[in-house]
Amino acid sequence: GAGVSQSPSNKVTEKGKDVELRCDPISGHTALYWYRQSLGQGLEFLIYFQGNSAPDKSGLPSDRFSAERTGGSVSTLTIQRTQQEDSAVYLCASSVGASSYNSPLHFGNGTRLTVT
Amino acid sequence: AQSVTQLGSHVSVSEGALVLLRCNYSSSVPPYLFWYVQYPNQGLQLLLKYTSAATLVKGINGFEAEFKKSETSFHLTKPSAHMSDAAEYFCAVSEGGGGNKLTFGTGTQLKVEL
Repeated sequence: GAGVSQSPSNKVTEKGKDVELRCDPISGHTALYWYRQSLGQGLEFLIYFQGNSAPDKSGLPSDRFSAERTGGSVSTLTIQRTQQEDSAVYLCASSVGASSYNSPLHFGNGTRLTVT
Repeated sequence: AQSVTQLGSHVSVSEGALVLLRCNYSSSVPPYLFWYVQYPNQGLQLLLKYTSAATLVKGINGFEAEFKKSETSFHLTKPSAHMSDAAEYFCAVSEGGGGNKLTFGTGTQLKVEL
């Protein structure tokens, strides 16, 4: 079946512009996560949605970053007034439930963001 | 808070040789631990996980990892490397309670040479 889909796969933007990154999770997955992968720094947790609960935004690096999940499915990560340090690969993942014991994360291929 | 340290950002082995990728963790609660693999231009794929059952965990593609509480380690091994194993490998620990909010290490790039 279809996996986690992210778009665009690549995005080049000018410093100061806003960008939106989209994630389509696997159908039926209630949990959705955003991670940022920067060169040499591994994956950094950004935000987590679980069903209708309030999202866990504890990983968002600044108030320029926000995310929403409409209808419990598609999610959009928005970065306002982009800075060069925002350049990274943004990965989305989804899982059936919130437990890592029996519902592993399924990752998309990511969006590579380059801020010039 | 949980953390993961992966020793060696780059590891190179010959085809057919033993693969050993090191991971040490820090956790205030009994951890759930994971290894993920990332092939070029792809997302991460789960290799294996430890969730407090057997300490020796077998995963896909012939990989296995052993949880050693006394050493706070979860090293990944494979007896015989194959060219197709060349990828980046990430160790991760779950936030307490077994949730899917994971803390990842910085990754180890595995190169397999003829």
